[in-house]
Amino acid sequence: ETGVTQSPTHLIKTRGQQVTLRCSSQSGHNTVSWYQQALGQGPQFIFQYYREEENGRGNFPPRFSGLQFPNYSSELNVNALELDDSALYLCASSLAQGSRYNEQFFGPGTRLTVL
Amino acid sequence: SQKIEQNSEALNIQEGKTATLTCNYTNYSPAYLQWYRQDPGRGPVFLLLIRENEKEKRKERLKVTFDTTLKQSLFHITASQPADSATYLCALDEQAGTALIFGKGTTLSVSS
Repeated sequence: ETGVTQSPTHLIKTRGQQVTLRCSSQSGHNTVSWYQQALGQGPQFIFQYYREEENGRGNFPPRFSGLQFPNYSSELNVNALELDDSALYLCASSLAQGSRYNEQFFGPGTRLTVL
Repeated sequence: SQKIEQNSEALNIQEGKTATLTCNYTNYSPAYLQWYRQDPGRGPVFLLLIRENEKEKRKERLKVTFDTTLKQSLFHITASQPADSATYLCALDEQAGTALIFGKGTTLSVSS
């Protein structure tokens, strides 16, 4: 069984640029969530995708967007990067079996630095 | 406003003692609460989930309680070991379970 993988592991961008982060969900999981974790803080929910549709969204501006593909892998896109976007971006997959009570399996994260 | 608070940013205990971490929340009505462990530079790892109608749950040396009247969860690690040193995060569900809302975490250090 393959766990959640993310790429790249580290990324440095400048303010105003755009970035795409990628996530492969755990085998058999059809739900992917993205979180932003600033230094010293807990992860903050960005959005969730279920069967290629956005299924919930946190308090993030529209320049944060995402996609989920038929194989359940996912992308997070951030446009017009700002310095405050510097953070660890975590992807988590889960198996939505019609129940809310599912643990989430997190990937190792992508560390984004915006200069 | 909605808040999740974990009692302290850091907790230092000696090996063999019981570590107790607290998670308090306000203005939420969660259906469940989860605890995760996070090591530096890594993603969180799921430990335990407790539902609103459960008072206590155990897994090996771990025990979680959930008091919806007090709006509090306690997380216990018995017979703690240096390998238990990590940051522990509590999380509540929101948006009909699609979102997990995390606390800031408590960093536990177990010394031998």
